[in-house]
Amino acid sequence: AQSVTQLGSHVSVSEGALVLLRCNYSSSVPPYLFWYVQYPNQGLQLLLKYTTGATLVKGINGFEAEFKKSETSFHLTKPSAHMSDAAEYFCAVSDLRSGSARQLTFGSGTQLTVLP
Amino acid sequence: DAGVIQSPRHEVTEMGQEVTLRCKPISGHDYLFWYRQTMMRGLELLIYFNNNVPIDDSGMPEDRFSAKMPNASFSTLKIQPSEPRDSAVYFCASSLGRNQPQHFGDGTRLSIL
Repeated sequence: AQSVTQLGSHVSVSEGALVLLRCNYSSSVPPYLFWYVQYPNQGLQLLLKYTTGATLVKGINGFEAEFKKSETSFHLTKPSAHMSDAAEYFCAVSDLRSGSARQLTFGSGTQLTVLP
Repeated sequence: DAGVIQSPRHEVTEMGQEVTLRCKPISGHDYLFWYRQTMMRGLELLIYFNNNVPIDDSGMPEDRFSAKMPNASFSTLKIQPSEPRDSAVYFCASSLGRNQPQHFGDGTRLSIL
């Protein structure tokens, strides 16, 4: 069974500071990993994804994440936070279920607050 | 390009009533997913379809919940009878292909009184 753990349900950073949102996963097979962002009263939007190949993945809005197999981690970072980054962020893992499409398992989410 | 469209955006109804949530996936997408989001349980996959056929409904909480996809451009999630514990935000998502990222609608916020 696959699972995702996001450390810290709330993270606050100052505008211009580094953003680091942590995600650890477990999967019985090589995983696909995703970060989604959710703004208030909206659905989830894909930030970035890792499937195979390069372990450092760049996404939209200046975010990036690095897949570290040895640490089973996929932490999300952004060098300089902007007020517009305030939102909830979800890490998700998917693996191939027998006879079915890859299904997403979401973490519990991290609410990012950006302080002026 | 139109994204996934869900209706209604908000629904408030009394317990015992039938509730129908609607979803129009992105044109050409062959997978459609229904999720439920609550504070207590986070995001849960309820059911998904491939080419209009339900593939996995193991996440559907109980028989009061049913989902259909009569054609490639429309799906419904029905709750009958509704209960207060069904209050949540329900999301529909679609994807093109088996292992591609899912695109989410803006959700339906359901309140059962």
